[in-house]
Amino acid sequence: DAKTTQPPSMDCAEGRAANLPCNHSTISGNEYVYWYRQIHSQGPQYIIHGLKNNETNEMASLIITEDRKSSTLILPHATLRDTAVYYCIVRVADYGQNFVFGPGTRLSVLP
Amino acid sequence: DAGVTQSPTHLIKTRGQQVTLRCSPKSGHDTVSWYQQALGQGPQFIFQYYEEEERQRGNFPDRFSGHQFPNYSSELNVNALLLGDSALYLCASSTRDRGLGQPQHFGDGTRLSIL
Repeated sequence: DAKTTQPPSMDCAEGRAANLPCNHSTISGNEYVYWYRQIHSQGPQYIIHGLKNNETNEMASLIITEDRKSSTLILPHATLRDTAVYYCIVRVADYGQNFVFGPGTRLSVLP
Repeated sequence: DAGVTQSPTHLIKTRGQQVTLRCSPKSGHDTVSWYQQALGQGPQFIFQYYEEEERQRGNFPDRFSGHQFPNYSSELNVNALLLGDSALYLCASSTRDRGLGQPQHFGDGTRLSIL
């Protein structure tokens, strides 16, 4: 079973920031937080991952709480192309450890 | 730089038949994992190959088997197809994770339909 809890769906206005929450209250010290998204008919696309510190790349920012029990993925200026299912996954960074996907959050960016 | 490529993109089979799906990993990657994604659900892990051996397996029956070649490409074989095997089959590649949290990169999958 997935170790994360996400809201099933969210809406966001185009041009506004999209903030997607994820709860991972049982996370272990050696588990990373990963975010993927899946646009209809495509494979999951890697977005970002982190262990303790906040991370930012060209796609998004990842904010991890100090106790590491929850995180937020931020898309700073959502566009219609960001409409997708977003998956939050926790995983031990070690050989042989694979990704356990939950149902994710369906984000709809509205014009 | 080509990403993960999978073939074919779509396939239609009938119950009882056998199918082979193919995957070429992203350049520089040596580890390949396969996932099954039923309609409306998240991907489910089938197995992972590294150095031409199956290293880890999810909760899938022996009808599902695989192979990895010396060039790191991989095949997924499914025997005695059932209606419930209809799904999107995803291949993901990565470098061997040595504690740095390397992500897996996914292809766009093969859509398998069983009639």
